[in-house]
Amino acid sequence: GEDVEQSLFLSVREGDSSVINCTYTDSSSTYLYWYKQEPGAGLQLLTYIFSNMDMKQDQRLTVLLNKKDKHLSLRIADTQTGDSAIYFCAERSDYKLSFGAGTTVTVRA
Amino acid sequence: GAGVSQTPSNKVTEKGKYVELRCDPISGHTALYWYRQSLGQGPEFLIYFQGTGAADDSGLPNDRFFAVRPEGSVSTLKIQRTERGDSAMYLCASSQQANTEAFFGQGTRLTVV
Repeated sequence: GEDVEQSLFLSVREGDSSVINCTYTDSSSTYLYWYKQEPGAGLQLLTYIFSNMDMKQDQRLTVLLNKKDKHLSLRIADTQTGDSAIYFCAERSDYKLSFGAGTTVTVRA
Repeated sequence: GAGVSQTPSNKVTEKGKYVELRCDPISGHTALYWYRQSLGQGPEFLIYFQGTGAADDSGLPNDRFFAVRPEGSVSTLKIQRTERGDSAMYLCASSQQANTEAFFGQGTRLTVV
């Protein structure tokens, strides 16, 4: 079965980098995703990485994947107040997404 | 439409009542999914449609839950005899095909009182 784990909270100062970590268990996962959820809203797809890649960069976002350790991270450079939200890591096996419980990121001035 | 649309955005119902939640996927997307998100948790898979048929309904918690997608586009999630434990955010997503990125709607927050 799938099990995705994330740290629950992260507090970061505006302008600093944020790093959110995630571990997963399903070695057959084809894609790994990061979603953002603002209060009371749905999920916004931020970025994703194919399982045979080590790194993907997309503007302020950098995703690192260590497939051997089943560890995924999301780095947000120059964190802004608008980045305050819950971030979900998800693994996909076939069509089904399995999510972690989410990391609440709070950006302080 | 431009994105996945879910209605209503909020629904409050009394215990024991029947509710229907609607999802309008992105035009042309053949795959449609329902997820349920309880407070403080990540979304959990309920059901997956490929076209009109439910290809996987293994996540539906019990037989009070049912979903349809009669014309391969709009889907309705139906909950009979609602219980307080059904209170959650119900999220719908669609993708062009089963193995491509899923885009989520804004969700329906269901509260059973």
